[in-house]
Amino acid sequence: AQTVTQSQPEMSVQEAETVTLSCTYDTSESDYYLFWYKQPPSRQMILVIRQEAYKQQNATENRFSVNFQKAAKSFSLKISDSQLGDAAMYFCAYRSSYLGDNDMRFGAGTRLTVKP
Amino acid sequence: NAGVTQTPKFQVLKTGQSMTLQCAQDMNHEYMSWYRQDPGMGLRLIHYSVGAGITDQGEVPNGYNVSRSTTEDFPLRLLSAAPSQTSVYFCASSYSPSTGELFFGEGSRLTVL
Repeated sequence: AQTVTQSQPEMSVQEAETVTLSCTYDTSESDYYLFWYKQPPSRQMILVIRQEAYKQQNATENRFSVNFQKAAKSFSLKISDSQLGDAAMYFCAYRSSYLGDNDMRFGAGTRLTVKP
Repeated sequence: NAGVTQTPKFQVLKTGQSMTLQCAQDMNHEYMSWYRQDPGMGLRLIHYSVGAGITDQGEVPNGYNVSRSTTEDFPLRLLSAAPSQTSVYFCASSYSPSTGELFFGEGSRLTVL
């Protein structure tokens, strides 16, 4: 079964600085999706960014970008110009593209603190 | 645009009681699922459905029951609540079972005494 590992339970960053959250995954499949979700104190799960495995180009969404290394099975999230509102729990997630394997698998999460 | 709506947001139960967490989506999504979130463990899949009348078990199905009579609704039933079921529960949906992101409800915090 596919597994997702986030090795950093907690991270902190100074406001306006850059931080990178790590994620690795284990799979034998070649076609899949990867996601980063943000969970602020409100508990709502918010999609930050997604990456299709067949795409070579790393996804970006404003201040958020990923470093997708398919061969290394690594999917890190970079947050530039960190803001106080970025403080949250961040989850890395994997989803297979194959029908019959419907589970989205999540890492344990990284709690990000932003210092003013 | 409501998206995925879960009720109730909070619930306290006594051991042995039963209850139903309601979930509804208005996006015509075929795929719906229930997750539980526990500290240090991320989100784990309880049950899922790929369409009306079709449900299946996820990673942690014991003690829970689901049904899918319509595309919109996917309730989660706790048959006889146990303290181990104290958790935050999320309902989620997506257009298809194997593509794209999940859209989440706001979560339901359940405490079993």
